[in-house]
Amino acid sequence: DAKTTQPPSMDCAEGRAANLPCNHSTISGNEYVYWYRQIHSQGPQYIIHGLKNNETNEMASLIITEDRKSSTLILPHATLRDTAVYYCIVRVDEGAQKLVFGQGTRLTINP
Amino acid sequence: GAVVSQHPSWVICKSGTSVKIECRSLDFQATTMFWYRQFPKQSLMLMATSNEGSKATYEQGVEKDKFLINHASLTLSTLTVTSAHPEDSSFYICSARDKGLAGDTQYFGPGTRLTVL
Repeated sequence: DAKTTQPPSMDCAEGRAANLPCNHSTISGNEYVYWYRQIHSQGPQYIIHGLKNNETNEMASLIITEDRKSSTLILPHATLRDTAVYYCIVRVDEGAQKLVFGQGTRLTINP
Repeated sequence: GAVVSQHPSWVICKSGTSVKIECRSLDFQATTMFWYRQFPKQSLMLMATSNEGSKATYEQGVEKDKFLINHASLTLSTLTVTSAHPEDSSFYICSARDKGLAGDTQYFGPGTRLTVL
C-alpha cells in the first residue's frame, strides 16, 4: 500500500473549518483514500473514504486532487470534540484489507 | 456506522497469567477481524488478521503462540495473551470488516487497556 505524509499537528478555532492535508504521491489506481480519527484512549473512528471523486457525509468532506496524489479532509464546523489524531490511509479494496497506520495529524480545536 | 464492542475495557493481571479479550461485531457479520496494539504516544500496529473458521495470519515479529486468536463465529473474535508479562501492557484494539452497503470498511472497537503487574 502507498505511503502517506501528514503534518504532525494542526490547530483550528472552534466553529471554523478544519482542513487536514494528506500527501500520497505514490498511490496506485486501485487504491482508496481512507480517513480515521482517534480520540484519546478510544478506538479509531471511521470518517470517510474515496477513490477519485470528492465525497461528503455527515461528518466530513473529502477532496481528492485530480492526479490523486493528495487529498484534504474538511471538517466544516469544528467543535472541541473534534480534537483527535487524524489518520489518512491508502489501501486497495481487495486482498488482505489490512490498514497501516502512520503517525497521523494531531488536530487541536481551540475555544 | 457499524458497531464493534470489546470486553473487557480494561484489565489488570499478574505476570504469568493469561488474559482473554473479546471483540464482537454487534450489527453485522464480519468474516475478517483485525487485532492491533498501541503503546503510549505511538500509532496503532497491526498484530494479526483473523479470518472466521481459519487460522489467523500474524504480522512479522508477533508471536502466534503468545497471542492466541480464535474467530469461531462471524461476530466474535478473541485474543488471548498467554503468560502475560509487564512488557505486554498496552492498549489492544480490534476492528471488524463490514462489506455492507456503504462499501468495504473496517470499524474499530473501543479498545482494551491491559496492565500486567
